[in-house]
Amino acid sequence: GAGVSQTPSNKVTEKGKYVELRCDPISGHTALYWYRQSLGQGPEFLIYFQGTGAADDSGLPNDRFFAVRPEGSVSTLKIQRTERGDSAVYLCASSFGSGEQFFGPGTRLTVL
Amino acid sequence: KNEVEQSPQNLTAQEGEFITINCSYSVGISALHWLQQHPGGGIVSLFMLSSGKKKHGRLIATINIQEKHSSLHITASHPRDSAVYICAASTLESGNTPLVFGKGTRLSVIA
Repeated sequence: GAGVSQTPSNKVTEKGKYVELRCDPISGHTALYWYRQSLGQGPEFLIYFQGTGAADDSGLPNDRFFAVRPEGSVSTLKIQRTERGDSAVYLCASSFGSGEQFFGPGTRLTVL
Repeated sequence: KNEVEQSPQNLTAQEGEFITINCSYSVGISALHWLQQHPGGGIVSLFMLSSGKKKHGRLIATINIQEKHSSLHITASHPRDSAVYICAASTLESGNTPLVFGKGTRLSVIA
């Protein structure tokens, strides 16, 4: 079956604009994670969904960042009033029970 | 101090060499993950282990819970092994949990 997919693969935007990043997890996976990876660094946790609800959003850097998963499958990460420091690769992963996480290819966000 | 530390940060090896990448962690874990990331960003899970040793092909992962240390070994290394290898910890008792990542080890294997 299909793996985790993310769209768009690349997004270039201007400072101050609003962006949405989408993640389609593996079908049936109840847990969905958003991570952010800056150049030369390991990924950092942003938010984790179990079903439709955010089980842990402690990694969101500030209130410009928000994520939803209304039907327990697809998730959208929303960033308001983007800043240059938001430039990074945004990774999505999903899992079911075992703890092993399956990663999407990421969305590379560049804020000019 | 990061909760998950890896060494070395960068590693260059000749084809055929035996490679070891180390990971130490300071938090209680339920499992330790080794991940591979190729240029372009895609991350692939190599191992998830909570005790002992696992082997898959030329890759071997070990963990010492008492010492809070894990190693990833690659035998008979090949240029296609060139990638970033990332150690990550699951910190809750069971089930799904966000991962805490090390910064990664960039491996280059030269023919």
